[in-house]
Amino acid sequence: AQKITQTQPGMFVQEKEAVTLDCTYDTSDPSYGLFWYKQPSSGEMIFLIYQGSYDQQNATEGRYSLNFQKARKSANLVISASQLGDSAMYFCAMREGSGGSNYKLTFGKGTLLTMNP
Amino acid sequence: DAGVIQSPRHEVTEMGQEVTLRCKPISGHNSLFWYRQTMMRGLELLIYFNNNVPIDDSGMPEDRFSAKMPNASFSTLKIQPSEPRDSAVYFCASSYSNNEQFFGPGTRLTVL
Repeated sequence: AQKITQTQPGMFVQEKEAVTLDCTYDTSDPSYGLFWYKQPSSGEMIFLIYQGSYDQQNATEGRYSLNFQKARKSANLVISASQLGDSAMYFCAMREGSGGSNYKLTFGKGTLLTMNP
Repeated sequence: DAGVIQSPRHEVTEMGQEVTLRCKPISGHNSLFWYRQTMMRGLELLIYFNNNVPIDDSGMPEDRFSAKMPNASFSTLKIQPSEPRDSAVYFCASSYSNNEQFFGPGTRLTVL
């Protein structure tokens, strides 16, 4: 079974609208972390936001927020007031375990977001 | 502050040649990761180091691939001999413990 599932291969969104990118995960470990990265066409991987499994509140970073629904094992990324520069591939990733020396990230296949002006 | 530095940015080589990719992590970070990205397989972790020690190399495809981290500020990923199916973008990333990983710009490898 896939550990990270991103069901939307691609999305077209009108500029200034809010965007929700879906991510579901699969783990039996009670301690884990969820990450979102952005990869624009230039190719670099940019860290956006992090949510820990024990965090009481949903993470927010500027226009980015993470809609964390633990019971549903979902960690959707919400981008408010979208901009043309948000066009990119977005990856959801998970780290299982509380650390120790296990820092592996497992990535989903990504969602390609294309903004329409 | 300088981010993760990778070299070369682009590499074109012929099948059978040795390829060496280099990475300088962010100063102070104690974990270093090598990833490979292809259209078919997405982003795959090849190997990672913690405090210069390899922790998990289960993602290394085969014996043709090897990675070293002789000190906290330098790592190499070597492919010998290279094959066309090794063509991909190779990313190096670093982190402090289990915090977010910061990625380098990647090396685009083409094996003819």
